Amino acid sequence: EVQLVESGGGLVQPGGSLRLSCAASGFTFSSYWMHWVRQAPGKGLVWVSRINSDGSSTSYADSVKGRFTISRDNAKNTLYLQMNSLRAEDTAVYYCARGRGSMDVWGQGTTVTVSS
Amino acid sequence: QSVLTQPPSVSAAPGQKVTISCSGSSSNIGNNYVSWYQQLPGTAPKLLIYENNKGPSGIPDRFSGSKSGTSATLGITGLQTGDEADYYCGTWDSSLSLWVFGGGTKLTVL
Repeated sequence: EVQLVESGGGLVQPGGSLRLSCAASGFTFSSYWMHWVRQAPGKGLVWVSRINSDGSSTSYADSVKGRFTISRDNAKNTLYLQMNSLRAEDTAVYYCARGRGSMDVWGQGTTVTVSS
Repeated sequence: QSVLTQPPSVSAAPGQKVTISCSGSSSNIGNNYVSWYQQLPGTAPKLLIYENNKGPSGIPDRFSGSKSGTSATLGITGLQTGDEADYYCGTWDSSLSLWVFGGGTKLTVL
């Protein structure tokens, strides 16, 4: 079964850091581009970042550029999102998703809450 | 303010048809494929339509997509109460070099 499982969310103080993980299974992870998408409570989907299949190319939303870093370990079939200098407005459910032209597989999401 | 514009809400009766629009520009919809996502309450998004008008395996053909110029449309026929969800369009924006979603449309089946 094709599956993505996020982990690493939690409560963190403003200015703190957190690393999210997304474990992939059931497909050849190293062949696919991957994304992080977030959704603040009661709000719509917002794209955060994207990485190509071998990790050599990345893109970021302006709101997280310079603070977040996307990476992957194809040997471990895992996608990461390192989040630094967290702000209250980063509070959201974070989803990882597979794909390039569209996102055809999504994880269940992990919740990040930034609050003092 | 989203780069792609969707109506906040649409509604229709069971069995009827509804369309959801997604308006963009030449840098996104005009020159890239559009995909559509369904998000049922409390769940993760699910891909409904990719490459403007293709449905993934397992998606009923009640769901259809089309694109013309800088706009795209999702159509749903034979509405069911289980179709009540938020629907999002998405595409790559070549000028911004980032992925963009519409603001989402809440479908109510009356």
